[in-house]
Amino acid sequence: EAGVAQSPRYKIIEKRQSVAFWCNPISGHATLYWYQQILGQGPKLLIQFQNNGVVDDSQLPKDRFSAERLKGVDSTLKIQPAKLEDSAVYLCASSPFTGGLHTGELFFGEGSRLTVL
Amino acid sequence: GEDVEQSLFLSVREGDSSVINCTYTDSSSTYLYWYKQEPGAGLQLLTYIFSNMDMKQDQRLTVLLNKKDKHLSLRIADTQTGDSAIYFCAGASGGYNKLIFGAGTRLAVHP
Repeated sequence: EAGVAQSPRYKIIEKRQSVAFWCNPISGHATLYWYQQILGQGPKLLIQFQNNGVVDDSQLPKDRFSAERLKGVDSTLKIQPAKLEDSAVYLCASSPFTGGLHTGELFFGEGSRLTVL
Repeated sequence: GEDVEQSLFLSVREGDSSVINCTYTDSSSTYLYWYKQEPGAGLQLLTYIFSNMDMKQDQRLTVLLNKKDKHLSLRIADTQTGDSAIYFCAGASGGYNKLIFGAGTRLAVHP
């Protein structure tokens, strides 16, 4: 079974520029997550989709971050304009969870490392 | 909402047992999880425990859950150098399986 695919793996931009990250979840997984992991910290949830609807985006800085999930499958996360503090690894995860007694395991991609200069 | 706290660093000798501790705030989490992250990689589920259990054993891993104190621990028996990684505790908040992670415990295994 193919895992969660993310691209690009690495991106270096200057502040005020824009960047986009792409995620392809495991086939059939209804739920997709974007996490931000700043160096030395745990992953922080930015946005969670179930199918193509948003179920939680309470910690997404909506003035600069946006995300969409096309047809309930692939997703893109965009940052415009980027700030220095956006330097982090952006992790995409998917889960077959749709409620009920499921273990809720998340399957993570390898992440996209962003450096903002 | 859920808040998860962990100690940041643990150093053990190869062959010894490692115990990584975690405290959480949201007692409604149905499952509690331990994830492992190796350098440059995403997180991988190590094990989980259902909230109505006190203990779960899975080969070298033992998870203990103290619901009264909201304390979760992960014991790794016979720790090997390949166990060197960052270990994250996580709990699920709300009905949509929103996972909240701790800051991670970096485990260093030395000869």
